[in-house]
Amino acid sequence: AQSVSQHNHHVILSEAASLELGCNYSYGGTVNLFWYVQYPGQHLQLLLKYFSGDPLVKGIKGFEAEFIKSKFSFNLRKPSVQWSDTAEYFCAVKGGSQGNLIFGKGTKLSVKP
Amino acid sequence: ETGVTQTPRHLVMGMTNKKSLKCEQHLGHNAMYWYKQSAKKPLELMFVYNFKEQTENNSVPSRFSPECPNSSHLFLHLHTLQPEDSALYLCASSQEIRWGGDTQYFGPGTRLTVL
Repeated sequence: AQSVSQHNHHVILSEAASLELGCNYSYGGTVNLFWYVQYPGQHLQLLLKYFSGDPLVKGIKGFEAEFIKSKFSFNLRKPSVQWSDTAEYFCAVKGGSQGNLIFGKGTKLSVKP
Repeated sequence: ETGVTQTPRHLVMGMTNKKSLKCEQHLGHNAMYWYKQSAKKPLELMFVYNFKEQTENNSVPSRFSPECPNSSHLFLHLHTLQPEDSALYLCASSQEIRWGGDTQYFGPGTRLTVL
């Protein structure tokens, strides 16, 4: 069965620090990969997605993620976080064109001003 | 963004009540989903509808009953729930489940408390 692991439950950073959130998945075939963000009191929003092509994908608000097939990873990065990036971040994987979207448990990011 | 709306936003119900959650999408999508979001657990897929046909029932108890009258509307009928059913219920929609580029868009959720 497919699964998604997000290694960090809660990350605390100061403004301007660099961010990397880990995401690993287990699925042997073609995957579609997503990062969603949930700001406090708001709904889940798509941050970025990977379907094919360049494994380095850029999303909204300066976020990017790199798909490393050999490591089954899709880590999220941002070079300099802001207080407004405080939110919960969810990695999700869809295995194959008809697979269901499987979510990780989420990583809560707190950015101190 | 108001692409996917859900009502009510908050619901408190007793174990013997019957209530319904409503979801509406304004994105022209053909697939709709119900998820359950509980604290410290991954989002759990409950039901999937594609072109109004149910394609997935993820071993959900029968006290949850979905209804999809058209591609824009999705309901979740609730009956004799248990306190452990208290959670945030999220609706999502996407273009079509078999499309390789399919991406799900989520509503704000209904916060359900079962007393």
